Amino acid sequence: GESVGLHLPTLSVQEGDNSIINCAYSNSASDYFIWYKQESGKGPQFIIDIRSNMDKRQGQRVTVLLNKTVKHLSLQIAATQPGDSAVYFCAEKFPGNQFYFGTGTSLTVIP
Amino acid sequence: NAGVTQTPKFRVLKTGQSMTLLCAQDMNHEYMYWYRQDPGMGLRLIHYSVGEGTTAKGEVPDGYNVSRLKKQNFLLGLESAAPSQTSVYFCASTLRWGAGNEQFFGPGTRLTVL
Repeated sequence: GESVGLHLPTLSVQEGDNSIINCAYSNSASDYFIWYKQESGKGPQFIIDIRSNMDKRQGQRVTVLLNKTVKHLSLQIAATQPGDSAVYFCAEKFPGNQFYFGTGTSLTVIP
Repeated sequence: NAGVTQTPKFRVLKTGQSMTLLCAQDMNHEYMYWYRQDPGMGLRLIHYSVGEGTTAKGEVPDGYNVSRLKKQNFLLGLESAAPSQTSVYFCASTLRWGAGNEQFFGPGTRLTVL
């Protein structure tokens, strides 16, 4: 899975399946964690964030899970669609508004 | 609302030249950020601002300066461009930080320094 520091470059899933993108973060003091989607030639688009005092947060078709014990973050996309094909970044926010991004996971949805 | 806009979209500079990238947002956001994105890498924070008249350094501030004279604008300056500054630059803004608040990104400026 993706890490802020390491990365799993690609993930391929069949249309309709669920996708799980993983991220390992580094700073136990980070107070927010955010997932972004970036399509080719565009700026990143906010997907969902989670505060450090939460374990799970759900959005529309997406769920973010946070495991502070092992410093792990995941993004689950339900019923993946072709429009979900993009690069996904996780980011952690340090106290004081500093953000650190992972290198990204490229998700390809196979029709 | 136009959201976050960036000017210019593309630019080619020679080493040593200077330029200013403009970011504008019409959402009355307090926080604004400048990032760079290099091939195969995530975004790295250059500078940010938590309000009009304030700026702070991010992860990679060297070689860049910023100004936030008006709440809606955040300028990124390169005084003496170097080939290492070839990158795609993204501006972002957010109303404030808290659960459920989104960080909006502009479309990017592709800068090449020869």
